[in-house]
Amino acid sequence: AQSVSQHNHHVILSEAASLELGCNYSYGGTVNLFWYVQYPGQHLQLLLKYFSGDPLVKGIKGFEAEFIKSKFSFNLRKPSVQWSDTAEYFCAVGRNDMRFGAGTRLTVKP
Amino acid sequence: DAGVIQSPRHEVTEMGQEVTLRCKPISGHDYLFWYRQTMMRGLELLIYFNNNVPIDDSGMPEDRFSAKMPNASFSTLKIQPSEPRDSAVYFCASSPDRRGHNEQFFGPGTRLTVL
Repeated sequence: AQSVSQHNHHVILSEAASLELGCNYSYGGTVNLFWYVQYPGQHLQLLLKYFSGDPLVKGIKGFEAEFIKSKFSFNLRKPSVQWSDTAEYFCAVGRNDMRFGAGTRLTVKP
Repeated sequence: DAGVIQSPRHEVTEMGQEVTLRCKPISGHDYLFWYRQTMMRGLELLIYFNNNVPIDDSGMPEDRFSAKMPNASFSTLKIQPSEPRDSAVYFCASSPDRRGHNEQFFGPGTRLTVL
């Protein structure tokens, strides 16, 4: 059965700090990987996705993620966070039977 | 396109009452998903449909929960009878079937409070 692990539950950063959120997964078969963001009081929005090809994926708002097959990882990165990045971030894996990680709450201090 | 539409946005009800949540997927999307989000359990997939047919309902917590999709533009999630532990945000999402590249588009959610 597929599963997704996000090891960081709550991350607190100052503006301009670099961000890396960990995501590890287990999944049988061809894997589709996603990062979603949920701003306070809002619904989930897609940040980026990986289906195949270049393992370094660039998404919206300066986010990127790297798929490392040997490590079953799909970590999210941003070189310089902003206060407006305060949100909850979800890693997800799968196809129609998508599984979400528990989420990582990011707080960016101005 | 208006995106995925859910109603109501907020629902407060008393234990034992029937609750019906509604969802209108994005036009042309073949897949529809119902999720529940709580602090304790995170985001859980309850059930999903393909072309109006339920494919996997293994996430439905118990028989009190039921979901239907009578046509391509409408789905309901019903809880009868409701219990306080059902309090959560329920999201509906839809997805096109593009060679298996299934990005899901989420609705705004229904915040359910059962007293």
